[in-house]
Amino acid sequence: DARVTQTPRHKVTEMGQEVTMRCQPILGHNTVFWYRQTMMQGLELLAYFRNRAPLDDSGMPKDRFSAEMPDATLATLKIQPSEPRDSAVYFCASGILGYYGYTFGSGTRLTVV
Amino acid sequence: DAKTTQPNSMESNEEEPVHLPCNHSTISGTDYIHWYRQLPSQGPEYVIHGLTSNVNNRMASLAIAEDRKSSTLILHRATLRDAAVYYCTVSVGVGNEKLTFGTGTRLTIIP
Repeated sequence: DARVTQTPRHKVTEMGQEVTMRCQPILGHNTVFWYRQTMMQGLELLAYFRNRAPLDDSGMPKDRFSAEMPDATLATLKIQPSEPRDSAVYFCASGILGYYGYTFGSGTRLTVV
Repeated sequence: DAKTTQPNSMESNEEEPVHLPCNHSTISGTDYIHWYRQLPSQGPEYVIHGLTSNVNNRMASLAIAEDRKSSTLILHRATLRDAAVYYCTVSVGVGNEKLTFGTGTRLTIIP
C-alpha cells in the first residue's frame, strides 16, 4: 500500500531551536495537510496545500511556524524558535481533491524541553 | 464550520454490531460527512464518507439521517482490532477538502 512518509519519527530539541519536519505525500496526491495533536487540543488543522499552493494556514501560529511545498514530493513544516508548548505529534496527510480518503502519515513526535 | 458532537466513549462486545452516533446539526447542503479512526500510536485512518445516501464499504456502513443533521457509523461485527478513537467530521472549504476533527468517540471492545 502507498504510504505518507514523515521524518523524523521522534525529535527532542531545546527551546529556541529550529525544528524542521518533513513529509513525502503519496505520488499523485495533489492535496497535503498538516495537523497537530495534543491531549488537550486534540487534532488541529494547521495548514493545507493544493497543487503545492497554500490554501489555508489559518490554524498555524504565523510568528513561528511556516509550511512549504518545495516540490510535489516534499512538504515541510518549520518551527523557529521552538517552545515547550509546541510539544505534540505532528501529522501530515495527503489526498486527491474530490476523493476523500485522505491518507495520514505515522506522525512526528516533537518534544521541546 | 459545521460542528460535530459525539459521545466521549462507548463499549461493545466482541463480534457484536456497533453503532457510533454523530450529530452535525449545522451541516450545509454540500458538506460531506466523513469518519476516520485512530488506533493507538497511529495516524488517523479513513473509514467512510457520504453526502445524503447511506454508504457501505468493506470496513463499515454509514447511515445518514434524512435531514442530514445526524449520522451513524455501523461496524457490523466488532473485533478487538476495532478498538480506536472514531472521529466524525464534516468537510468544508472551496472543494470540500478541509477536515477539522472534534474529540471523537473512544470505542472499547470487550472480549
